[in-house]
Amino acid sequence: GEDVEQSLFLSVREGDSSVINCTYTDSSSTYLYWYKQEPGAGLQLLTYIFSNMDMKQDQRLTVLLNKKDKHLSLRIADTQTGDSAIYFCAEKGYGTASKLTFGTGTRLQVTL
Amino acid sequence: DGGITQSPKYLFRKEGQNVTLSCEQNLNHDAMYWYRQDPGQGLRLIYYSQIVNDFQKGDIAEGYSVSREKKESFPLTVTSAQKNPTAFYLCASSMARNTGDAYNEQFFGPGTRLTVL
Repeated sequence: GEDVEQSLFLSVREGDSSVINCTYTDSSSTYLYWYKQEPGAGLQLLTYIFSNMDMKQDQRLTVLLNKKDKHLSLRIADTQTGDSAIYFCAEKGYGTASKLTFGTGTRLQVTL
Repeated sequence: DGGITQSPKYLFRKEGQNVTLSCEQNLNHDAMYWYRQDPGQGLRLIYYSQIVNDFQKGDIAEGYSVSREKKESFPLTVTSAQKNPTAFYLCASSMARNTGDAYNEQFFGPGTRLTVL
């Protein structure tokens, strides 16, 4: 099946930028998503990007997509302690009904 | 308020017992999903349903069963055949647009943490 990979852990200082990376194998990916999970809770959609775009900005969030290398990144500007969470990338392949394939998740720790 | 509810939040069961996790949504979504989350392994799809009275196995369906008798409800039964059932279980729902390039945001419930003693 298709695979989505992320590094497990990232630590940044408050006020710095965070960059969370994701690689995927499905060449037919149509939409790619970033979800945030706070401790003991479900996932919330942060942002998404369609595969014919290479960048999307939404306030402090910037998503970059390199379709050739199948690489997706999420940049969080001016990272705050409230950004501490697990971040999942997910992809939807073409014609895979409504299923998403999720990555392993990256735990972001924000230090003072 | 529209959303997805899962109950209970915490569940403890003895080894060898079947247990059913509840998932209800009032978003009028056709599709519903069950995921299992283990530390460092991300979300793994157990079962999903695109329409009432129909469901498909996901990547790790062994030891689990589901039903979809109503659009709003998608209960998951963890059977005694599941070798390592202790985990965090997440339910989600989405519109079931089946065109190849359709946007399909999944909305998640708060999760149920199952511990088998």
